[in-house]
Amino acid sequence: EIVLTQSPVTLSLFPGERATLSCRASQSVSSYLAWYQQKPGQAPRLLSYDASNRATGIPARFSVSGSGTDFTLTISRLEPEDFAIYYCQQRSNWPLTFGGGTKVEIK
Amino acid sequence: QVQLQQWGAGLLKPSETLSLTCAVNGDSFSGYYWTWIRQPPGKGLEWIGEINLSGNTNYNPSLKSRVTISLDTSRTQFSLKLSSVTAADTAVYYCARRRSGTTPFDYWGQGSLVTVSS
Repeated sequence: EIVLTQSPVTLSLFPGERATLSCRASQSVSSYLAWYQQKPGQAPRLLSYDASNRATGIPARFSVSGSGTDFTLTISRLEPEDFAIYYCQQRSNWPLTFGGGTKVEIK
Repeated sequence: QVQLQQWGAGLLKPSETLSLTCAVNGDSFSGYYWTWIRQPPGKGLEWIGEINLSGNTNYNPSLKSRVTISLDTSRTQFSLKLSSVTAADTAVYYCARRRSGTTPFDYWGQGSLVTVSS
């Protein structure tokens, strides 16, 4: 099983600041990585897929990069609606797995 | 617009079988994996398993002995059964869609809280 480790666990920032979230895989997942945003009481929302593609309707302030084992989600300037939990997910090997999540909270 | 609408029993006793159904509106089954994912309260996401139109299934090894995912193509619904539940199976269960050969789950159901308690 591929383990995805997200860091930090919690990120405390002010609106307008830049957020940098990391996802590290226990073995290469090539580019087969997706990112999701989840708010309380809601299903996860797809942000990006295959390492660098933004999903439909996702603002340009969200960018992703990486391949192999190290991936980054960057939010260039945090808007109030961006405070949420973010998960990464791989499909390189079964079972499909998710990272433990990074909570982006208002400082 | 694709919509996934899910339902099922929300309160179970230990050893009972969890049963959830997800109806797919606005799309066919072809070309996708139809998936179940769960999230224990306050915790992260766990992939349970998936099925495609051909009936091919993939299950999480940690749950494989207790899980069955099936399709009802006539109704464009798919279902999850998880047997011999315990308190550790208490979670919000989501159905979701993943295009075959791709990574992401692009559409999700609204989630169903299933509580296992004696």
